[in-house]
Amino acid sequence: TQLLEQSPQFLSIQEGENLTVYCNSSSVFSSLQWYRQEPGEGPVLLVTVVTGGEVKKLKRLTFQFGDARKDSSLHITAAQPGDTGLYLCAGAVETSGSRLTFGEGTQLTVNP
Amino acid sequence: DTGVSQNPRHKITKRGQNVTFRCDPISEHNRLYWYRQTLGQGPEFLTYFQNEAQLEKSRLLSDRFSAERPKGSFSTLEIQRTEQGDSAMYLCASSLVFHEQYFGPGTRLTVT
Repeated sequence: TQLLEQSPQFLSIQEGENLTVYCNSSSVFSSLQWYRQEPGEGPVLLVTVVTGGEVKKLKRLTFQFGDARKDSSLHITAAQPGDTGLYLCAGAVETSGSRLTFGEGTQLTVNP
Repeated sequence: DTGVSQNPRHKITKRGQNVTFRCDPISEHNRLYWYRQTLGQGPEFLTYFQNEAQLEKSRLLSDRFSAERPKGSFSTLEIQRTEQGDSAMYLCASSLVFHEQYFGPGTRLTVT
């Protein structure tokens, strides 16, 4: 059973601060996705990383996949209130069908 | 570009009643997934279709749950004899590439 642990579970920061969210597992994943979810809505795909050591940037968001493909991080620079939401990491293993295994999420609140 | 749609968005039912949810995937996507999400948790995989074939089911999908995808287009998820523990957000996702799943807005089920 693949498990993904996210930390921190809750994060409350002031506008303009930087933050990093971590997603760790003892299992190797074929790919890892990051999603953002608003209350009462479905998760929205932010990025997919597939290669160990891969770094992807999406404006102020930087995503990294660990060299061993067991962990990932999301770094937000100069956070804004619009970044508030639940950030979820999800891993996929090609040999276990197509299911995504999700972490429990990091609830981010950016205060103006 | 039409995203994944789900209906209804909210459903309130009494314990013991049957409910059915519908998911319309992105038109060219051949893979369709159902997940369940409870408060404070990440989504949990329920089942997966490739075209009309149901290829994988989670242990979470008890005998009271059934899913179909006739003709490989829309999908339905039925819960028979609902229990209070079934209260959750039911999410549908579709994909063309195995690991990039795009989610609908979800159906919030409340069993009273």
